[in-house]
This record gives sequence, C-alpha cells and structure tokens, in this order.
Amino acid sequence: EAQVTQNPRYLITVTGKKLTVTCSQNMNHEYMSWYRQDPGLGLRQIYYSMNVEVTDKGDVPEGYKVSRKEKRNFPLILESPSPNQTSLYFCASSLFARQGGFNGYTFGSGTRLTVV
Amino acid sequence: QQQVKQSPQSLIVQKGGISIINCAYENTAFDYFPWYQQFPGKGPALLIAIRPDVSEKKEGRFTISFNKSAKQFSLHIMDSQPGDSATYFCAAATSGSARQLTFGSGTQLTVLP
Repeated sequence: EAQVTQNPRYLITVTGKKLTVTCSQNMNHEYMSWYRQDPGLGLRQIYYSMNVEVTDKGDVPEGYKVSRKEKRNFPLILESPSPNQTSLYFCASSLFARQGGFNGYTFGSGTRLTVV
Repeated sequence: QQQVKQSPQSLIVQKGGISIINCAYENTAFDYFPWYQQFPGKGPALLIAIRPDVSEKKEGRFTISFNKSAKQFSLHIMDSQPGDSATYFCAAATSGSARQLTFGSGTQLTVLP
C-alpha cells in the first residue's frame, strides 16, 4: 500500500529534550515536506526537500532541523523543543515536476507533539 | 502573510443541504487550486482540484467554482451527508515551484442528521 508513515503518533516531552519525528514514504517520491497544523492557522510548511541532500526552509523553520540522506526518509528534528512547538505535525510527499502539473500530496497520519 | 484566506471557520449544515466554503488568494502566480478533506486523527487527503483554465470542476457531489478575475474559488458540497463532516482546507500552488502548496486556515464542517 502506498503510504507515508510517521512515528510516533503521540509524543509528550519536556522543554529542551531533543527529539526526532520520523517520516518514511514507499512511493519513490522526490519531494517531501513537513507541516505543522495549528487551530485557525491551517497547515504551515516547516521544511521541504526536493531530493536527497536537497532541503530548504518553508514558512516556519525556526527551531527545527531536517535531513534527507535517503530518498524515502525525511526526519524532523527538534534540538531544543519549546512549548510553542506543541502542535500537530504532518509529513507529506509528492512527485515533483518542474514542468506540467503538480500531482498533489500524500500525507502521513500525523504526530501530535506536546512540549511541557 | 496569509496568501490564501478561507471562510467560514466553521459551518453547520442539515443533511441534504448545500455546503459552501470560500477561498481567496493574492498571488497571481498560483495555477493549481486543490481542496483537501481531513477527518479526525487522519492526515489531509486530496478531494478535488482545479486549474485556472476552467471555471468549474465537478466530481460527484463536490464542485469547485473558480473566478480568476476575483481571485476566488469555492467548494460546493451538494446533498451534504453526515459522513462529509470533516475539516476542509483549500490550497494553492504554482506549477514548478519548489514551495508547492499554501493552505487556507481550514473550515470545520458539521452535517447534522
């Protein structure tokens, strides 16, 4: 089954304790992205990656890091989490076409992070 | 800077009624306008999408209406059903742009039985 898998689904952590949220896709997609979802703000892009070893900032990158060492994996790293990073996080992937149509995202099921 | 503005924030409709959600955008470079549907505990899923070369696209009970001059587009759900109760997001993108989708703030739809 084609899917984007995120882990963990739920995470409660304390301020300053480094954490990693994993994301993996099995569709051989070039493009992967992380979003955070907050009430009234919709989904805001944190970081994206157009291919292996190619990453760039989205709209809200502060406090986050990413890496893309393999095509299928795109982990999100919070080196020193703070309470304002409490949110619902989604990983997504898509085929990336510079010309022609955009094919739409496949989203993971989300990771609900609480930082106390 | 919110490039895609969505309204209303919440919507309650009776079963069988029409649900209408509106979005407006600012960036004239956008050329792809999808709608995503999200159920609790799930990630958003692509529902229907339109490009600006057409003014309307219909898939079953779901229709997108697009007004390029007004920079607005809307989702119409005909014969709304309780199973349609979900959060709906509009979005916009520019083909070939690495930044891809910009999302609206979401509309929580409740369809009463």
